[in-house]
Amino acid sequence: AQSVTQPDIHITVSEGASLELRCNYSYGATPYLFWYVQSPGQGLQLLLKYFSGDTLVQGIKGFEAEFKRSQSSFNLRKPSVHWSDAAEYFCAVGDGRAAGNKLTFGGGTRVLVKP
Amino acid sequence: GAGVSQSPSNKVTEKGKDVELRCDPISGHTALYWYRQSLGQGLEFLIYFQGNSAPDKSGLPSDRFSAERTGGSVSTLTIQRTQQEDSAVYLCASSLVGGSNQPQHFGDGTRLSIL
Repeated sequence: AQSVTQPDIHITVSEGASLELRCNYSYGATPYLFWYVQSPGQGLQLLLKYFSGDTLVQGIKGFEAEFKRSQSSFNLRKPSVHWSDAAEYFCAVGDGRAAGNKLTFGGGTRVLVKP
Repeated sequence: GAGVSQSPSNKVTEKGKDVELRCDPISGHTALYWYRQSLGQGLEFLIYFQGNSAPDKSGLPSDRFSAERTGGSVSTLTIQRTQQEDSAVYLCASSLVGGSNQPQHFGDGTRLSIL
């Protein structure tokens, strides 16, 4: 069964500093990988996705993620964090073998931004 | 707006009562998903609808949970004889079609509290 691990439950970063959120997955085939962001009281917003091709993918809000098959990782990065980036971030893997697209989510990483 | 709409946004009810949660997907989206987000369990897949196909109910936690999707559009998730452990945020998502390479678009969720 597929699984996703986000090792960091909380991360605190200063505004303007760089941010990296870790995501490790377990999946038997080529994974479909996603990063979502959730602000308080809201649903999940898609930041970026990886299906194939270039292993460095660009997303919205200045985020990027790099797929590393050898490390089973899909880490999310942002060079310079803004206060509005304070939120919870979820990594997810899609089940490529099923007809549907069940997403399996990691436990999330809550990001706090210090002024 | 053109996003996924869920109602009510908040629901408080007594243990043992039945509740209905509604999801209106993005127009034209044929795939619809329900997830549950709770403190102890994170984000869990509940059920998936794709067009006129039989739904994938593999994530429903008990027979107290059911869902239907009428006319291929609006969906209702029903929880009968609610229990305190049903307290969670219930998120609905839709995608243009089913499939692992289709990003899911989420609503803001219904926060359910069982007293």
